[in-house]
Amino acid sequence: GQQVMQIPQYQHVQEGEDFTTYCNSSTTLSNIQWYKQRPGGHPVFLIQLVKSGEVKKQKRLTFQFGEAKKNSSLHITATQTTDVGTYFCAGSTTDSWGKFQFGAGTQVVVTP
Amino acid sequence: EAGVAQSPRYKIIEKRQSVAFWCNPISGHATLYWYQQILGQGPKLLIQFQNNGVVDDSQLPKDRFSAERLKGVDSTLKIQPAKLEDSAVYLCASSLDRIGGSGRAGETQYFGPGTRLLVL
Repeated sequence: GQQVMQIPQYQHVQEGEDFTTYCNSSTTLSNIQWYKQRPGGHPVFLIQLVKSGEVKKQKRLTFQFGEAKKNSSLHITATQTTDVGTYFCAGSTTDSWGKFQFGAGTQVVVTP
Repeated sequence: EAGVAQSPRYKIIEKRQSVAFWCNPISGHATLYWYQQILGQGPKLLIQFQNNGVVDDSQLPKDRFSAERLKGVDSTLKIQPAKLEDSAVYLCASSLDRIGGSGRAGETQYFGPGTRLLVL
């Protein structure tokens, strides 16, 4: 079955630095979503990517969907303490509308 | 706009007992999901409803878990009997659209605060 893997599992970042987290799928995806979950909170939708090679930006966050639609990345520039949390990617395939396989997430810790 | 509501927020039970969780999705959302999130892992889909019909329940342990969405609005998830490994956060989410609807933008999922279950 479809598997979605995220690396790294943990990311310790100094405030002000950049980092990237990666999401890889064992199967070709139709679309991919990214969510952020603060400690003790629930996942909150960030963005959805649909097109091959698509790049979207939200302030300091840059999301990219791979050309083969099997991988995605989230790049954060000038990390702030408000970026603390776990970032999940979730992928869906053409034959499973609305059904998303979540990765295990990248837990981000920011040190001032 | 009100978000997804869930209750209770916390529940502690002993193994072999029963427990039920309730979810009220965002008004007008056709699709409702129940996820299980074990500490340190990503949400795992248990069941997906479209209106009052089941779209996918392939990962629902049907010998002990059951869920319903009788009127196509709110939903309940039940565990009977509970096991130690059921300790997790149970998340409910809803999305606006339905299969064949306005496209993939309607798949954005809005999560409720979750129910934290501890089985002793």
